[in-house]
Amino acid sequence: GESVGLHLPTLSVQEGDNSIINCAYSNSASDYFIWYKQESGKGPQFIIDIRSNMDKRQGQRVTVLLNKTVKHLSLQIAATQPGDSAVYFCAEIPNYGGSQGNLIFGKGTKLSVKP
Amino acid sequence: DAGVIQSPRHEVTEMGQEVTLRCKPISGHNSLFWYRQTMMRGLELLIYFNNNVPIDDSGMPEDRFSAKMPNASFSTLKIQPSEPRDSAVYFCASSSLGEGYEQYFGPGTRLTVT
Repeated sequence: GESVGLHLPTLSVQEGDNSIINCAYSNSASDYFIWYKQESGKGPQFIIDIRSNMDKRQGQRVTVLLNKTVKHLSLQIAATQPGDSAVYFCAEIPNYGGSQGNLIFGKGTKLSVKP
Repeated sequence: DAGVIQSPRHEVTEMGQEVTLRCKPISGHNSLFWYRQTMMRGLELLIYFNNNVPIDDSGMPEDRFSAKMPNASFSTLKIQPSEPRDSAVYFCASSSLGEGYEQYFGPGTRLTVT
């Protein structure tokens, strides 16, 4: 029979524009979140993290926003570059301070940057 | 720092054969994770270890899968017997207890079972 692959949401942006990638998480008890970037043929790479006692955190060209009320996380990339083309995953950890590990990954969003 | 090292990078095997994937975590890290990534199911946690002890293996799909961590610098994921539906990219990741939850991923092993 026909196989159904995982349909990744895709975001296509022009080089130089800002990108916003969204993620809805499921567990209201999750209190730590991470964004990962995965380039083709490579393992996921840490971008930025945020704890639930914060609603915003900034890194170099990236900003993560957390809205606990609606269980929503977003990653903003300023001045998007071709090298930003990748799949972006959000991940959550329930019970921060408990046993380490057990990141729960979202399905991912594919970012495509047009030169 | 060499990062997380996985071997082999690619493995092609026939159905029914035993497959062993290897991982060397970052020196000093005491948590190790095995993930599987497919187009169908995305990135799935299979098992993780803290201080060489398996903590959660609920993600291991079935008894054909087993993982060991005999010491702090080495872990294996074994599939016996392998089946075509095991074809995927298998990632190993490590992190350091008490220093945040960032996991560092290896380059992955692409497994094809024919």
